[in-house]
Amino acid sequence: SQQGEEDPQALSIQEGENATMNCSYKTSINNLQWYRQNSGRGLVHLILIRSNEREKHSGRLRVTLDTSKKSSSLLITASRAADTASYFCATAPGGATNKLIFGTGTLLAVQP
Amino acid sequence: GAVVSQHPSRVICKSGTSVKIECRSLDFQATTMFWYRQFPKQSLMLMATSNEGSKATYEQGVEKDKFLINHASLTLSTLTVTSAHPEDSSFYICSASKSGLLNTEAFFGQGTRLTVV
Repeated sequence: SQQGEEDPQALSIQEGENATMNCSYKTSINNLQWYRQNSGRGLVHLILIRSNEREKHSGRLRVTLDTSKKSSSLLITASRAADTASYFCATAPGGATNKLIFGTGTLLAVQP
Repeated sequence: GAVVSQHPSRVICKSGTSVKIECRSLDFQATTMFWYRQFPKQSLMLMATSNEGSKATYEQGVEKDKFLINHASLTLSTLTVTSAHPEDSSFYICSASKSGLLNTEAFFGQGTRLTVV
C-alpha cells in the first residue's frame, strides 16, 4: 500500500494546549498537504509544503517536512475546542503523477 | 475561493439498484477530479481519477464496471455505483484541483453517505 501512516491515531488535549501530529510516507514526493475533516463532512485544506521546503506556518499551524526521513509534523498551537476534527496528511507522489495519497489520520479531541 | 459541490449528501437505495453521485466545481474549471471512498473512522482511499473527455483511471482493485465514472465537462464528474450491494455502503468524496496537484491543493465536496439496504 502506498498509504502513509500518522501517529498518534487519536489525541485528546485540553483547550490552550498544543497538539502535534506526525505523518510518515513511503515514496518520493512533490509536496505534502495537511487536511482537516469534521465528522461526516468533506475535507478542508490547511497547508501545503513543497519537497524543497522544511517548515511552513499559517496562523496557529506549523508544518515541518523532513524528506530524508520521509516524515512531516503538524503543530497546532493554543488549541481550541473548535479544532476538534480528524487531521490527514496527503502526499503528491514524485514524478508526473497527479493524485493525492492520504495517511491514516489523527483524531484530535480538544476538551473545553 | 474554490467550491466543489457534491450531491446528494445522503442516499439510501435498495440492493441491486444503481446510484449516481454528482461532483461539480462551481467557480473553476477542473480538468481532473478524484473520487475517494472512506470507511468509518478510516482514511480516504483513492478510487479513480476522472479526466474530462477521456476514460477514468482506476486504482488497483477498484472495479470499473461497478463504479462508472463520467467526466462530461470541465465542471462536472459523476460516479455511478451500479447494482449496489450492502458492502458498497460507504462515504464517497470527490475532489478537484485547479491546476494539478503538483503545486496546488485539492478542493473537496462535502461527501455522500450511501446506504444500501
